[in-house]
Amino acid sequence: AQSVTQLGSHVSVSEGALVLLRCNYSSSVPPYLFWYVQYPNQGLQLLLKYTSAATLVKGINGFEAEFKKSETSFHLTKPSAHMSDAAEYFCAVSETGGFKTIFGAGTRLFVKA
Amino acid sequence: EAGVTQFPSHSVIEKGQTVTLRCDPISGHDNLYWYRRVMGKEIKFLLHFVKESKQDESGMPNNRFLAERTGGTYSTLKVQPAELEDSGVYFCASSPLAGASYEQYFGPGTRLTVT
Repeated sequence: AQSVTQLGSHVSVSEGALVLLRCNYSSSVPPYLFWYVQYPNQGLQLLLKYTSAATLVKGINGFEAEFKKSETSFHLTKPSAHMSDAAEYFCAVSETGGFKTIFGAGTRLFVKA
Repeated sequence: EAGVTQFPSHSVIEKGQTVTLRCDPISGHDNLYWYRRVMGKEIKFLLHFVKESKQDESGMPNNRFLAERTGGTYSTLKVQPAELEDSGVYFCASSPLAGASYEQYFGPGTRLTVT
């Protein structure tokens, strides 16, 4: 069965510092992986997705994630945090041939001035 | 292009009452999904429509939940009778194509509180 684990329900960084949000997944078949972001009072918005092309995926707002099969990880990074990055981030997985998306519990990112 | 819309944004009801949530997907999207997030836990899949047909309802918690999608456009999710554990945020999503690699477009959610 598929599952997603996000390490840390809350992460706090200073403005300008590196953002690293961790995600590990389990899947019995090659997965598709996603990062979504939810800003207050808004729906989830896709940041980026991995669909078996390049292992380093670039997304919107300067975020990127690297698929590491050997570590079953898909960590999200951004070199320099901005106040506007404060939001909740969700890692998600779906499997080839399926359509369900399985989500992690979410990580809330706080950015300090 | 209008996004996925959900109504109401918030609903507070008493245990035993009935509530109906509505979702309007992006125009032209045949695929519509319902998800639920309970008490800050992970977002969980409830069901998937292709047009008006239920493709997969394996995530529906029990028979107190009824989802419909008349005419393949908007969808409703009815909870009858509501229980305390039904509280949470209900998200609707839509996509033009079905498949694991396709992005789903999410609405802002309906926050349901059962007291």
